[in-house]
Amino acid sequence: EAQVTQNPRYLITVTGKKLTVTCSQNMNHEYMSWYRQDPGLGLRQIYYSMNVEVTDKGDVPEGYKVSRKEKRNFPLILESPSPNQTSLYFCASSPPSGGLDEQFFGPGTRLTVL
Amino acid sequence: GESVGLHLPTLSVQEGDNSIINCAYSNSASDYFIWYKQESGKGPQFIIDIRSNMDKRQGQRVTVLLNKTVKHLSLQIAATQPGDSAVYFCAESAANTGNQFYFGTGTSLTVIP
Repeated sequence: EAQVTQNPRYLITVTGKKLTVTCSQNMNHEYMSWYRQDPGLGLRQIYYSMNVEVTDKGDVPEGYKVSRKEKRNFPLILESPSPNQTSLYFCASSPPSGGLDEQFFGPGTRLTVL
Repeated sequence: GESVGLHLPTLSVQEGDNSIINCAYSNSASDYFIWYKQESGKGPQFIIDIRSNMDKRQGQRVTVLLNKTVKHLSLQIAATQPGDSAVYFCAESAANTGNQFYFGTGTSLTVIP
């Protein structure tokens, strides 16, 4: 089944404790992206990647890191999480149309930083 | 930065009626527009898209209209069904913003049986 998977689905952590949210897609998509969703603010793009070893900042990259060492995986790293990073996070991927194509979203990761 | 807004945060319609959800955007260079549906507890799901060289595109029970003059996008759902109840987001992207995507804040559609 074609899908985008994220792990973990739920995470409660404490301020300053490094964490990684994994994202994997099995559709051979070149474009991958991370979003956070907050009430009243919709989805905001954190980072995106047009291809392996190519990453770019989105609208709200501060406090986040990403890497794209292989096509299928695009982990989101929070080196020192803070409470304002409590949010619902979505990973997405899309076919190689320069990003201008339908994005397939994962099920979401709900992160709480205490 | 980019601004993508929705005219109404909530919309209630009777089952069987048509629904219209509106969206405004600010970047006149936007190339690509998408409508997503998000059901409770799930990720956004693609509904329909349109590129800037088109004014209208139709799918199954859905139509997207693009008015580039006033930078306005709308989603029309025909014969709305209870399963259409969800939050709807518009999103846009432009080559001059590096293919970043900007989403609106969402409209919550409730279908009344």
